[in-house]
Amino acid sequence: KAGVTQTPRYLIKTRGQQVTLSCSPISGHRSVSWYQQTPGQGLQFLFEYFSETQRNKGNFPGRFSGRQFSNSRSEMNVSTLELGDSALYLCASASSGRVEETQYFGPGTRLLVL
Amino acid sequence: AQSVTQLGSHVSVSEGALVLLRCNYSSSVPPYLFWYVQYPNQGLQLLLKYTSAATLVKGINGFEAEFKKSETSFHLTKPSAHMSDAAEYFCAVTSTGGSYIPTFGRGTSLIVHP
Repeated sequence: KAGVTQTPRYLIKTRGQQVTLSCSPISGHRSVSWYQQTPGQGLQFLFEYFSETQRNKGNFPGRFSGRQFSNSRSEMNVSTLELGDSALYLCASASSGRVEETQYFGPGTRLLVL
Repeated sequence: AQSVTQLGSHVSVSEGALVLLRCNYSSSVPPYLFWYVQYPNQGLQLLLKYTSAATLVKGINGFEAEFKKSETSFHLTKPSAHMSDAAEYFCAVTSTGGSYIPTFGRGTSLIVHP
């Protein structure tokens, strides 16, 4: 099975712009989660989608949003970018998001905001 | 609420030496515990997980971890470090009745000296 793929891998934006990141989960997986990873804050949960519905949300401002399509692919959008949004954004998929399930991570999208 | 504490942001060992990475968790209900590894410019990969079966869990690449309820610990060990083990290691917890979104520790960077 192909793993989780994320596009693009690297991105440079300027403050005030918006950005859309894409994630394709492992075939058959219906749960997709997004995380922000920074040296200062570590891994922080953004949100989780299951069957096109946001099922869980972390503590991030409304500038961060996401969606999931019928084929389970997911996108996250960050509007009005700030310097502090520079981070590695990781997507993870799981079969159904049960508590004991393993999450399978993509390689991430590294976003630099100038 | 659930939380994870990883003691030591950096651990340095010589090649061939014992690796011990510490993880303590907090959970009001029985936890599920995970260790993930992250190599540079990659996403996280599952090393092993505890799901209430055997308390000693064996994972990939010779790693193992022991669940100790009395100590609320899930330390990761490997008898003999290899240069290729140099990476960032994350402990994570989920729990029944709580969030099935994993809570991650801040990570421990393992440095292996020749």
